[in-house]
Amino acid sequence: QSVLTQPPSVSGAPGQRVTISCTGSSSNIGAGYDVHWYQQLPGAAPKLLIYGNNNRPSGVPDRFSGSKSGTSASLAITGLQAEDEADYYCQSNDSRLSGWVFGGGTKLTVL
Amino acid sequence: EVQLVESGGGLVQPGRSLRLSCTTSGLTFGDYAMTWFRQAPGKGLEWVSFISSKAYGGTTEYAASVKARFTVSRDDSKNIAYLQMSSLKTEDTAVYYCSRGYRYSHGSVMYYFDYWGQGTLVTVSS
Repeated sequence: QSVLTQPPSVSGAPGQRVTISCTGSSSNIGAGYDVHWYQQLPGAAPKLLIYGNNNRPSGVPDRFSGSKSGTSASLAITGLQAEDEADYYCQSNDSRLSGWVFGGGTKLTVL
Repeated sequence: EVQLVESGGGLVQPGRSLRLSCTTSGLTFGDYAMTWFRQAPGKGLEWVSFISSKAYGGTTEYAASVKARFTVSRDDSKNIAYLQMSSLKTEDTAVYYCSRGYRYSHGSVMYYFDYWGQGTLVTVSS
């Protein structure tokens, strides 16, 4: 059971917009810790997608955006493409666990 | 180009030890924290251990599941981070990834993990 809660799966057709939620608590996201998002393509290592709630590393398309409010965060992907099919993980800190925590991951299927 | 390459994984019996290495290039290794994560087969990501840069004390932190069994270290002269794993259990079976930790301040000091290796598989089984 993950400290951060994500939906197990989401799907959308090419060109559509999808969002992935990440729900935490007062000891992690709600405590003011930033949320970061990672994309893991099949058989590959995770890749940083969003850092500091809403910042994109160089090379990440602006189709990807992040937001945070209260004890939750969201990743939005617009203009879905087949290459976006992957697992997505949110990550933050947790003061009670004194470490870094992840969501359970969300599998994005492009229909 | 920043590269991280893990090595040292393999098949090991329960109760035995194994040392993983994370060899880096393309970065000023000593300036950054290094972190180990793992991913059990078909499961999600789990943080394992962290070591800060020497500038911030070289402090170490561990997940509760590996504390007192795993030891993280770094050799800044060789640009390598290590994870010494002892008293291995079957539940330690996973792909182990090393990652660079980027330190920043946003109210509190935080890290995000911007470069990852390709991972090395550790299988604990008799």
